[in-house]
Amino acid sequence: SQTIHQWPATLVQPVGSPLSLECTVEGTSNPNLYWYRQAAGRGLQLLFYSVGIGQISSEVPQNLSASRPQDRQFILSSKKLLLSDSGFYLCAWKPPLTNYGYTFGSGTRLTVV
Amino acid sequence: DQQVKQNSPSLSVQEGRISILNCDYTNSMFDYFLWYKKYPAEGPTFLISISSIKDKNEDGRFTVFLNKSAKHLSLHIVPSQPGDSAVYFCAATSWGSQGNLIFGKGTKLSVKP
Repeated sequence: SQTIHQWPATLVQPVGSPLSLECTVEGTSNPNLYWYRQAAGRGLQLLFYSVGIGQISSEVPQNLSASRPQDRQFILSSKKLLLSDSGFYLCAWKPPLTNYGYTFGSGTRLTVV
Repeated sequence: DQQVKQNSPSLSVQEGRISILNCDYTNSMFDYFLWYKKYPAEGPTFLISISSIKDKNEDGRFTVFLNKSAKHLSLHIVPSQPGDSAVYFCAATSWGSQGNLIFGKGTKLSVKP
């Protein structure tokens, strides 16, 4: 069966520090991968998605970047965090070329102080 | 511009009664709709979906209704239980969008015993 792992669960980082959140999927190949952010009162905002290794699409220009170095690995990064980067970050996957719903990871609560 | 709107940020219902959560969309290209349920500090979990070729889909206590002419869908929960208390997200997608989901801002449902 397929599983998605996301870590860390919580993170407190100072302003200006770097960020790296990792997400891995098991039990499937060539998944579509997604990074979402849930900020207070703003629902689920799509940040990045990837349909293959090295292929990243950005939905919202901002202080963050994403990379997909391996088929089932998706990384969210920042060189210098801003206070506004605080939020609940969610990784998700779905089979390619399908309209199936996503399966989400358990999320990372990021607080920038 | 929000393509998927959940205009009620919160809803309170008595246990045993019906909960009705509403969702409106603006993009007529959307052809598949999903509802997700989210508990605090967890990733959203898929609840139920409906294709645009249907106007109703039922799964146990959960029923989703789709009114394409009004670009409106609703989720009915009957009977409501305290464990249903969560944030519910409506999402929509179309085949031409890589299957990427567009989410509403969510409705927080509170079911009181």
